[in-house]
Order: sequence, then C-alpha cells, then structure tokens
Amino acid sequence: DVKVTQSSRYLVKRTGEKVFLECVQDMDHENMFWYRQDPGLGLRLIYFSYDVKMKEKGDIPEGYSVSREKKERFSLILESASTNQTSMYLCASGQAREKLFFGSGTQLSVL
Amino acid sequence: RKEVEQDPGPFNVPEGATVAFNCTYSNSASQSFFWYRQDCRKEPKLLMSVYSSGNEDGRFTAQLNRASQYISLLIRDSKLSDSATYLCVVNWDNTDKLIFGTGTRLQVFP
Repeated sequence: DVKVTQSSRYLVKRTGEKVFLECVQDMDHENMFWYRQDPGLGLRLIYFSYDVKMKEKGDIPEGYSVSREKKERFSLILESASTNQTSMYLCASGQAREKLFFGSGTQLSVL
Repeated sequence: RKEVEQDPGPFNVPEGATVAFNCTYSNSASQSFFWYRQDCRKEPKLLMSVYSSGNEDGRFTAQLNRASQYISLLIRDSKLSDSATYLCVVNWDNTDKLIFGTGTRLQVFP
C-alpha cells in the first residue's frame, strides 16, 4: 500500500515562528502537493512539485515556501507563521495526473 | 468564475434513493477528472476517475460533458455509509496541477 506520512498530526505554534511541515512518500511518485483545507473553502493548492528541486506555485503560495531535495520528501515552510495560516494541511503524492494519495493531515494552530 | 465549482449541499436523502452531483470546471484544456470522497476529519480518497465515455463502478456512475464543461456523479441505492463529502478534482490547463472543488456534502438517513 502507498504510504504518505506527515510528520505531525497536530501542531501549535506562535505568531512569527518558522514552521516546517514534512511529508514523505514511499512510492517513488514524481508529483507531490501541499494543500490547505478550511471550512467552506475546500482544499486549496499551495505548491506542488513535479520533480526533485522543481516546484510550482499553486493558488495560494503567499507566506509559504517549499523544498524538495529528495524525491520522497516534500517540505512546506511557513517563514513567519501568522494566525491566518491556522488550518489543516494535507500533503499528497501521485504520478502525472493520476490519482493522489494523501497523508492524514496536520492540524496547525498559530496563536 | 471559480476554477472548479460544486454545490456545497448538504444533500439529505433517504436510504435507497438515487442522488446526483454536478461539478463545473472553467478551463477547457483540462484533461483529467476525478471524484474523491472525504469522511469527516479524514483525508480525501479516490472514489473514481472520470473517463470521456463515462464509467460505472457498482452503484456509482461518473459522466463527463466536455461541451458544457462539467462532470457528474450518480449514486444509486444510497447507503448510510455513503454519507460523506464528495470532491470533484480537475487538472489545470493541461498540467499536472490538480484543483479541488469545495465539495458536496451528502447525508443519507434511515
């Protein structure tokens, strides 16, 4: 079975902190994605990566950056966390335009 | 216009009913279409891909209408366990970027 692992299920941070969300997949997938999910807004794409060191902005990249140094790992970085970044963050991986496999999500609270 | 639009619902239907959801997409270059299911406080999981000719998987039927730029999901003989949020997913502009609709909530009651 494909496994997508997110490093934390729940995270509480303070405004201004630098936050790292890690995601690892074990199926050698080319593509990896970071979404955030908020009530009434659905899943919104923050960034995605189609290869090592390659990334593309999604619909809401402001305030975020990403890193993909190895194929299996895709990190989301909040340079200076703000309260409006409190959300559920979901990582996913997949082959080109095929189905996505999701991690179980990280609920981030920024106080 | 939103990239991918769905009626948020909720759709409240009795067991055994047939229910249909539509999803419209704005980019005519989109090539890949999917329906995902998300249970409360869980991650989304693929329900089915949507093919040009339409496809069926048990009680679920998916259709694509390229001319009108929408996809549909039909659920026959609804079960209590079908209660969930159904998410429409479309690739953007012939890229691998996958965009989700906000989801349609289905509640099946006894």
